[in-house]
Amino acid sequence: GENVEQHPSTLSVQEGDSAVIKCTYSDSASNYFPWYKQELGKGPQLIIDIRSNVGEKKDQRIAVTLNKTAKHFSLHITETQPEDSAVYFCAAPRLGGGADGLTFGKGTHLIIQP
Amino acid sequence: SQTIHQWPATLVQPVGSPLSLECTVEGTSNPNLYWYRQAAGRGLQLLFYSVGIGQISSEVPQNLSASRPQDRQFILSSKKLLLSDSGFYLCAWTTGGGSRGAFFGQGTRLTVV
Repeated sequence: GENVEQHPSTLSVQEGDSAVIKCTYSDSASNYFPWYKQELGKGPQLIIDIRSNVGEKKDQRIAVTLNKTAKHFSLHITETQPEDSAVYFCAAPRLGGGADGLTFGKGTHLIIQP
Repeated sequence: SQTIHQWPATLVQPVGSPLSLECTVEGTSNPNLYWYRQAAGRGLQLLFYSVGIGQISSEVPQNLSASRPQDRQFILSSKKLLLSDSGFYLCAWTTGGGSRGAFFGQGTRLTVV
């Protein structure tokens, strides 16, 4: 099965600066990598995802990059704002694909300092 | 558009009591359904998943069971709760046909006392 490692566990940045969260995965057959944002007391919300046939995807202030050779992918948030404060999770297919669910990283608590 | 409903939002139950958490999805047919548990801290652990009515796959041996009596209904149950069953339980769904992101409900905070 898949193993996903996520770093850092906590990240504090000044408002307006950029934040980068990194994940590695173990299964070279994995082909889909979503990122989730979880606010306190709520369920995780899918914010961006990337498939293995592209190296980068952007959506306004957030972007995800993927390096299949090195088996790692990263979330980039630019011009951070107070509402970006949350816990972020990366994930990969649990068994390389299909309906078997996702394996999640342990999460990064992002703190935006005013 | 698709929506997922999960209830109750919070639950406090004594040790040894039964449990029933319900999840329903609207706006889609034949979804894949999942139950995850999030322990204090943050990690998400897959408990059960289902690709169709009556089809349940269990990932973690434990004091819990799941059922899917209807296409868009997923239920998490226990006959006798343990203290260690406390946590944040999340239902999620995806459409079939390969890897794609799961969409989560708002979760149930279960405290076993």
